[in-house]
Amino acid sequence: EPEVTQTPSHQVTQMGQEVILRCVPISNHLYFYWYRQILGQKVEFLVSFYNNEISEKSEIFDDQFSVERPDGSNFTLKIRSTKLEDSAMYFCASSGQGRNTGELFFGEGSRLTVL
Amino acid sequence: DQQVKQNSPSLSVQEGRISILNCDYTNSMFDYFLWYKKYPAEGPTFLISISSIKDKNEDGRFTVFLNKSAKHLSLHIVPSQPGDSAVYFCAARGGSQGNLIFGKGTKLSVKP
Repeated sequence: EPEVTQTPSHQVTQMGQEVILRCVPISNHLYFYWYRQILGQKVEFLVSFYNNEISEKSEIFDDQFSVERPDGSNFTLKIRSTKLEDSAMYFCASSGQGRNTGELFFGEGSRLTVL
Repeated sequence: DQQVKQNSPSLSVQEGRISILNCDYTNSMFDYFLWYKKYPAEGPTFLISISSIKDKNEDGRFTVFLNKSAKHLSLHIVPSQPGDSAVYFCAARGGSQGNLIFGKGTKLSVKP
């Protein structure tokens, strides 16, 4: 069964460092998403990406964040200068048809710990 | 501003009985509602969904009910099994590109 894969599973970094989280969405999907979940809180939408550009982003997704699809398979989230409050589980998701289907397929997440 | 609310952080049910998880929303423009199940250290897994034009959708032991006038939906699991123990997230689709807005989740514990 096709699945969304994420690397690394856990990354520890120092405050102010750059972090890149990587995702390989399901191969025939067209819409890609990043969500995050701070410990004990709800899953929050960060950004959606379609046709090689950001289609929507939340207020959390400020100038410190960027996304890229550098090749045909990877989808990355970069945090330019990490802050303590960026510590969270980051989930990548993909869907086949965006608005035409309700279901998003999630990866297992990348845990980011900022010290 | 919580657009999707799950007011019960936890629920404990005996095996074989019915589990009812509730969710309220504020935005009448949401057109699709979904339930996701999440185990620790894993990503959310899709469980069941319902379009805003329907009031019920059933899939095996899982049934979702939608009451649009009350802006309320619920997930019924019957009979509940210990393997159903997980955190259940209600989500609503509201973005132009299909992004989901999640509730805070309800932790379901099914006791043998």
